[in-house]
Amino acid sequence: AQSVTQLGSHVSVSEGALVLLRCNYSSSVPPYLFWYVQYPNQGLQLLLKYTTGATLVKGINGFEAEFKKSETSFHLTKPSAHMSDAAEYFCAADLNTGFQKLVFGTGTRLLVSP
Amino acid sequence: DAGVIQSPRHEVTEMGQEVTLRCKPISGHDYLFWYRQTMMRGLELLIYFNNNVPIDDSGMPEDRFSAKMPNASFSTLKIQPSEPRDSAVYFCASSLSQGRGEQYFGPGTRLTVT
Repeated sequence: AQSVTQLGSHVSVSEGALVLLRCNYSSSVPPYLFWYVQYPNQGLQLLLKYTTGATLVKGINGFEAEFKKSETSFHLTKPSAHMSDAAEYFCAADLNTGFQKLVFGTGTRLLVSP
Repeated sequence: DAGVIQSPRHEVTEMGQEVTLRCKPISGHDYLFWYRQTMMRGLELLIYFNNNVPIDDSGMPEDRFSAKMPNASFSTLKIQPSEPRDSAVYFCASSLSQGRGEQYFGPGTRLTVT
């Protein structure tokens, strides 16, 4: 079945440390991939997306993600965490069904300590 | 642009009552999605529309749930009768067919059924 898997429901880092949130997908065709962020009591906001072309994509707030087809992965990174990065992060895929439907991962809550 | 608008932002109702959630998508977007988010089940796609026509309602949990999109700028999600297990945050999102999965979320409606 086509799916998106996020490893780790919670990730804790110290302020200034590297952020790494993992996402793997399962699809028979290369999907379009997305990372969304949800701050408390808000809707989801697009952080970055991969469609075609360059496999390293940059998003807002210093985040970036790399599409690795051989590993079916799309991990999200940020070199230095900030307290304001504390939020829930969702990986999602448009699995080329032609219907605009996204498959979401279960989300990873990022906790940033001082 | 005002973004996706949802109303009300909070709704508290008693079991058995009818609840209507409203959504105004971003002008020009031709896809509209309704999601439900709970701690237990995460983010679930309930139903989505393309050009005001329902495409997939397989995520609608029961016949108590119904959704309409009478025109391109308005959609409703109705629960009748409501039950405590319907308590959740309901999100509306919209997208462009050319956007390939880039969905824009509203702020959500927090529904509490007592």
